[in-house]
Amino acid sequence: GNSVTQMEGPVTLSEEAFLTINCTYTATGYPSLFWYVQYPGEGLQLLLKATKADDKGSNKGFEATYRKETTSFHLEKGSVQVSDSAVYFCALKNNQGGKLIFGQGTELSVKP
Amino acid sequence: GAVVSQHPSRVICKSGTSVKIECRSLDFQATTMFWYRQFPKQSLMLMATSNEGSKATYEQGVEKDKFLINHASLTLSTLTVTSAHPEDSSFYICSARDPGAVTSYEQYFGPGTRLTVT
Repeated sequence: GNSVTQMEGPVTLSEEAFLTINCTYTATGYPSLFWYVQYPGEGLQLLLKATKADDKGSNKGFEATYRKETTSFHLEKGSVQVSDSAVYFCALKNNQGGKLIFGQGTELSVKP
Repeated sequence: GAVVSQHPSRVICKSGTSVKIECRSLDFQATTMFWYRQFPKQSLMLMATSNEGSKATYEQGVEKDKFLINHASLTLSTLTVTSAHPEDSSFYICSARDPGAVTSYEQYFGPGTRLTVT
């Protein structure tokens, strides 16, 4: 079946450090891939997406590239800020089923 | 962007009672809404898909008689946890799909409801 695996948190970084949150997936067919962010006390928000192999999604300085050969969609940011502290969810959507399947979430804490 | 609200944000109830959680799309009409459950440090688990005017579709393993879902209007879906027990304590999150959005795949999430059953 379809599944998403993320690196375990919490991840603690200093401001301006480089961020990588690993995400790998298992899916039949060609899913679309997403990163969602959940700030404290708020609902999930779509951060970025990629709908086909080699697509790169980007938003707010975050990037992720759809790698079919390694079934990965790692999230990166060159210089994190305190305001990036949140829980990040990797997700896939199989076009046949239409359901979003989430990873377990990775908590990021950025210290000044 | 599109906004989805949930009410209440937190609720504490006694074992054996029922609790209703509301999910509203505030600035769009949602023909489809989704209900998720999230355990601490774990992923969101889809419980059911709710379509306006029809019966909800439940995921395997989710008791439809325990988790009653009603999507009576294009802006409101409700989840009622009947005869709640402590093991039902969890974080419940709804999302809604805006059929008028350019990106039809996007779901807009509510802030969640923390249910504690004592």
